[in-house]
Amino acid sequence: DVKVTQSSRYLVKRTGEKVFLECVQDMDHENMFWYRQDPGLGLRLIYFSYDVKMKEKGDIPEGYSVSREKKERFSLILESASTNQTSMYLCASVGMSYEQYFGPGTRLTVT
Amino acid sequence: AQTVTQSQPEMSVQEAETVTLSCTYDTSESDYYLFWYKQPPSRQMILVIRQEAYKQQNATENRFSVNFQKAAKSFSLKISDSQLGDAAMYFCAYRSWYDKLIFGTGTRLQVFP
Repeated sequence: DVKVTQSSRYLVKRTGEKVFLECVQDMDHENMFWYRQDPGLGLRLIYFSYDVKMKEKGDIPEGYSVSREKKERFSLILESASTNQTSMYLCASVGMSYEQYFGPGTRLTVT
Repeated sequence: AQTVTQSQPEMSVQEAETVTLSCTYDTSESDYYLFWYKQPPSRQMILVIRQEAYKQQNATENRFSVNFQKAAKSFSLKISDSQLGDAAMYFCAYRSWYDKLIFGTGTRLQVFP
C-alpha cells in the first residue's frame, strides 16, 4: 500500500515563526502536492513538484515556499507564519493511475 | 480555467437508502479525468471512484456509481445501500495538467440509522 506521511498531526505556532511541514511518500512517485483545506473552500493547491528540485506555484502560493531535495520528501515552508495561515494542510502524491494518495493532514494553528 | 462546483453543502440519508451527490464542472478540454474523494472524520482522504472522460460507460465501484453526463458537464455520485461508515465529506475533483486536482467545496454526508 502507498503510504504518505506528514510530520505532525497538530501544530501550534506563534505569529512570525518559521514553520516547516514535511511530507514523505514511499512509492517513488514523481508528482507531489501541498493543499490547504478550509471549510467552505474545499482544497486549494499551494505548490506542487514534478521532480526533484522542481516546483511550480499553485493557486495560493503567497506566504509559502517549498523544497524538494529528495524524490520522496516534499516540504512546505511558512517563512513568517500569520494567523490567516491557520488551516489544515494536506500533502499528496500521484500514482500511475492518476490517483492522488493523501497524507493524514496537519492542523496548523497560528496564534 | 477549469472549475468544479458542488452545490450541496450538506446531505443526509438513512441507512440502507440511496443518495446522490451532485457535481458540475467546466472545461474546454475533451479528454480528462474526474474523481470523487471521501474524507471521513479521521481526515485521511481516499479515492472513491474515477471516471475517464473518453469512456462513455459510467464507473462503478461496489455500492458507488457515477452518472457522467459529458455534454452537460455533470458528474454525480450515487451511493446505494448507505452505511454508517459512508458518513464523510465528499469532494468532486477534476484532473488538470501535471496531475493537479481542482476540487469542489465538498458535500458533508450524514447517515442516520
